[in-house]
Amino acid sequence: GESVGLHLPTLSVQEGDNSIINCAYSNSASDYFIWYKQESGKGPQFIIDIRSNMDKRQGQRVTVLLNKTVKHLSLQIAATQPGDSAVYFCAENTGNFNKFYFGSGTKLNVKP
Amino acid sequence: NAGVMQNPRHLVRRRGQEARLRCSPMKGHSHVYWYRQLPEEGLKFMVYLQKENIIDESGMPKERFSAEFPKEGPSILRIQQVVRGDSAAYFCASSPPGTVRGGYTFGSGTRLTVV
Repeated sequence: GESVGLHLPTLSVQEGDNSIINCAYSNSASDYFIWYKQESGKGPQFIIDIRSNMDKRQGQRVTVLLNKTVKHLSLQIAATQPGDSAVYFCAENTGNFNKFYFGSGTKLNVKP
Repeated sequence: NAGVMQNPRHLVRRRGQEARLRCSPMKGHSHVYWYRQLPEEGLKFMVYLQKENIIDESGMPKERFSAEFPKEGPSILRIQQVVRGDSAAYFCASSPPGTVRGGYTFGSGTRLTVV
């Protein structure tokens, strides 16, 4: 089955620094990826997505990079703020938008 | 426009009891998805439903778990004869018909504790 995993379970950064959260996936057929943010006691919240025909996509303060050769996904957060503290999940999909496979998450701690 | 509404937020059941989790999708959304999240883990797909139809239940345990999405009313995830291992957060998500770009909209979850 599909496997989506993260390299770092916890990441601590100083406020104002940039954050990079990584994700590895194993299904080469996956063609759509989403990064979700989950704050304590809440459901996942969409941050940014990327299709497999792209290498990079930028949003407001966030950038997602996709390297299909090594099946690696990263989320970059610029000028990290205390409000960015949360658990971040990558999720993959194989074109069937009914079902996503989630990684185990990285907890981001932003120190003031 | 209210988001995906789940209730109750917290549910405590004794072993052997039944748990019923409810999910009201966003207005205009006819597709509902249930995911389970164990502590310190990612979400695991359970089931995908449309009105009155189960489309994909490949993530549902074979026994004790069932889901429905009736023509009227919320979607229900039902767990019979709960065991300690059922303790988890259960999230519901919804989407409109058609291709879901941007993923789903998730509710805030129901946290089930089995004692």
